[in-house]
Amino acid sequence: TQLLEQSPQFLSIQEGENLTVYCNSSSVFSSLQWYRQEPGEGPVLLVTVVTGGEVKKLKRLTFQFGDARKDSSLHITAAQPGDTGLYLCAGAETSGSRLTFGEGTQLTVNP
Amino acid sequence: NAGVTQTPKFRILKIGQSMTLQCTQDMNHNYMYWYRQDPGMGLKLIYYSVGAGITDKGEVPNGYNVSRSTTEDFPLRLELAAPSQTSVYFCASSYSSGEQYFGPGTRLTVL
Repeated sequence: TQLLEQSPQFLSIQEGENLTVYCNSSSVFSSLQWYRQEPGEGPVLLVTVVTGGEVKKLKRLTFQFGDARKDSSLHITAAQPGDTGLYLCAGAETSGSRLTFGEGTQLTVNP
Repeated sequence: NAGVTQTPKFRILKIGQSMTLQCTQDMNHNYMYWYRQDPGMGLKLIYYSVGAGITDKGEVPNGYNVSRSTTEDFPLRLELAAPSQTSVYFCASSYSSGEQYFGPGTRLTVL
């Protein structure tokens, strides 16, 4: 079973600060997805990255897939209270295989 | 489209009781999944299905059973509830192995 380790586990910051969360593995993934989950709801997909070295931007969120396709990062610029939630990364070993989820990073952005 | 719906939203069971968690999707997705999420943790895959009549075990299948008689429905059965099964259960669906769409979850407590 592949393992995805996310860090930090918890992060509490002030509005306007920047932050980066990490998703690391010793295994290679064909693709990696990032989800955000708000309290009492199911996770919602933010982005999928498939190419080593790929960078994708979604407004203030920047996602990067490592060159070796073993790790990924999510950077948030000028965080807002609405960014509060549990951020989950999930990797697929091969195209068509099931996802393995990380344990998540719980982000709290204080006004 | 309603997306992925789950019932019930909440349930309290006594040790040894049984119940079925219902999951229905109206997106004509062929893949469906059941996850459990313990407090502050990521998602653990219980069972999944790649199409009607086909099911397979995930990481934590013990104590659970599933069936997939139609494309739309993927019920999860707990036969002899145990306190270790206290968790939030999420059903998800996807077209092939792409983006997963999650239901709102069922919060189950076993006392």
